[in-house]
Amino acid sequence: KAGVTQTPRYLIKTRGQQVTLSCSPISGHRSVSWYQQTPGQGLQFLFEYFSETQRNKGNFPGRFSGRQFSNSRSEMNVSTLELGDSALYLCASSLFSGGFYEQYFGPGTRLTVT
Amino acid sequence: GENVEQHPSTLSVQEGDSAVIKCTYSDSASNYFPWYKQELGKGPQLIIDIRSNVGEKKDQRIAVTLNKTAKHFSLHITETQPEDSAVYFCAATSRDSNYQLIWGAGTKLIIKP
Repeated sequence: KAGVTQTPRYLIKTRGQQVTLSCSPISGHRSVSWYQQTPGQGLQFLFEYFSETQRNKGNFPGRFSGRQFSNSRSEMNVSTLELGDSALYLCASSLFSGGFYEQYFGPGTRLTVT
Repeated sequence: GENVEQHPSTLSVQEGDSAVIKCTYSDSASNYFPWYKQELGKGPQLIIDIRSNVGEKKDQRIAVTLNKTAKHFSLHITETQPEDSAVYFCAATSRDSNYQLIWGAGTKLIIKP
């Protein structure tokens, strides 16, 4: 099976602009989670979508939003970009296995805000 | 809510020696504990996990132990090799938390030749 794919891999935007990142989960996975990772920092949870519904949400401002389509592909959008939004954005798709969700990550999208 | 603490933040070991990374969790309802390895420029990779009904799990040079009473779990890497150099993350979750993974802060493992 193909792994989690994220597009684009690299992105440079200017402060005040908006950006949309895309994630295609592993075939058959219905849950997609998004994370922000800044240099030297851990994984900051943004939100999770399951069957087109937001199931969990992290502690990020409303400028960060997401959605999931019927084919489980997901997008996240950041509006009014700030310099502090520069980060690696990771998408993970999950498989329900034995009563738990195993998360598999994509390579990430490196966003630079200038 | 759940909180996961991970120690140490940086660990430097000689090639061939063992490395141990420890995590503690606060929610006694947590029952799934995965470990991830993140190499430079890549997304985290699931390397091993343990469920609460198991005390230890091994996969070649990697093992994870779980102490539910003390609410801590550890990653053990034996016979470390240069390719083990990476950042390792632990996490915990349960159905009560809507299966959301709560993450440790990460451990940078450096293998010295």
